[in-house]
Amino acid sequence: SQELEQSPQSLIVQEGKNLTINCTSSKTLYGLYWYKQKYGEGLIFLMMLQKGGEEKSHEKITAKLDEKKQQSSLHITASQPSHAGIYLCGADKGGKLIFGQGTELSVKP
Amino acid sequence: GAVVSQHPSWVICKSGTSVKIECRSLDFQATTMFWYRQFPKQSLMLMATSNEGSKATYEQGVEKDKFLINHASLTLSTLTVTSAHPEDSSFYICSAPNGLAGGPTYNEQFFGPGTRLTVL
Repeated sequence: SQELEQSPQSLIVQEGKNLTINCTSSKTLYGLYWYKQKYGEGLIFLMMLQKGGEEKSHEKITAKLDEKKQQSSLHITASQPSHAGIYLCGADKGGKLIFGQGTELSVKP
Repeated sequence: GAVVSQHPSWVICKSGTSVKIECRSLDFQATTMFWYRQFPKQSLMLMATSNEGSKATYEQGVEKDKFLINHASLTLSTLTVTSAHPEDSSFYICSAPNGLAGGPTYNEQFFGPGTRLTVL
């Protein structure tokens, strides 16, 4: 079974709308990473969270890690077409990075 | 930030041939690199960990004789898909941590741009 569960698997939003992507683990996370990918291209690092309750923001993207360190959310405010892509959460597993299934985001102008 | 390159960016080959994909860390040394495979509309699946100076470690279900990995130097890892078949067609991505892999502290993974393999 997938160790990291992402939801939703796909998302279509109108430009300007806010959205949230969730990433849930059955085990305590010791490092949670968010990446963005344009299909067929490499990954772009967004943010990394380590501490329970931690929250980080970059431009219009905010990521949070819950106190139990088993769930993270990625929130985009006032989405733009440039936010479209595949969002992947990743977790450190013994020095290796494993990923959730990904969330495909489309932003309609 | 650190840069990881891959070569080639895309390759088309005939069934039964072997294909080599290179992964290079351009401005840092990496004793460990990771190889992932991504099928269309799916996430990245870790295939193996490439270790400089020693054998690669493969994830469960990945055939080590089919996907040969060589970590010849601190900046280069190669993945060779031997006797490729159409089902091997995929997007292959490598990554390298800039720091001590497996350590207790966070080491950001830097990803290459990927290599698209199409086997006819």
